[in-house]
Amino acid sequence: SQQGEEDPQALSIQEGENATMNCSYKTSINNLQWYRQNSGRGLVHLILIRSNEREKHSGRLRVTLDTSKKSSSLLITASRAADTASYFCAPLPNTGGFKTIFGAGTRLFVKA
Amino acid sequence: EPEVTQTPSHQVTQMGQEVILRCVPISNHLYFYWYRQILGQKVEFLVSFYNNEISEKSEIFDDQFSVERPDGSNFTLKIRSTKLEDSAMYFCASRATLGETQYFGPGTRLLVL
Repeated sequence: SQQGEEDPQALSIQEGENATMNCSYKTSINNLQWYRQNSGRGLVHLILIRSNEREKHSGRLRVTLDTSKKSSSLLITASRAADTASYFCAPLPNTGGFKTIFGAGTRLFVKA
Repeated sequence: EPEVTQTPSHQVTQMGQEVILRCVPISNHLYFYWYRQILGQKVEFLVSFYNNEISEKSEIFDDQFSVERPDGSNFTLKIRSTKLEDSAMYFCASRATLGETQYFGPGTRLLVL
């Protein structure tokens, strides 16, 4: 199993600012996904980055991956109130590891 | 965008009753999962299913739980005799292969009284 640990635990910013969340993990991975969860709702897939990729973009989202440091970051640019949610990283190990072990996530609050 | 669907969205049951939660994974996917999230807590892995058998399960997934893929499209989670502490949001997920995106359904909110 492989758990991603998100940092910070909570982040509060003004609308229009950028938000950066970090993820650390322990073993080598096949890929890493980022998810968003609005309160009481399902997990929405944001981006999957593979172990041979260093950076990936999707709209206002930018994900980086540093396999030497076993870390990833999620940057949300020009944040909106609707980005308020919890964000989770989900590393998929190279061996075995059919499952995802979720950490506590980063709770992002974007003030209008 | 393909999606995983789950029914019902909400279920209320009495302690000791059996419940079946249903999921329709994305059609060409091969790996299926159930997770749960107790209110205010982390999302927890329950079980993974591949090639018509359980590939991994957590300590939570005891003899009261079972999974089935009865007809090649549905994927069900059965709780035989529900307890109060089974109250949670239950999420189904699927992926095509291990290297691909894991997609989650919207969840079933189970309340055991």
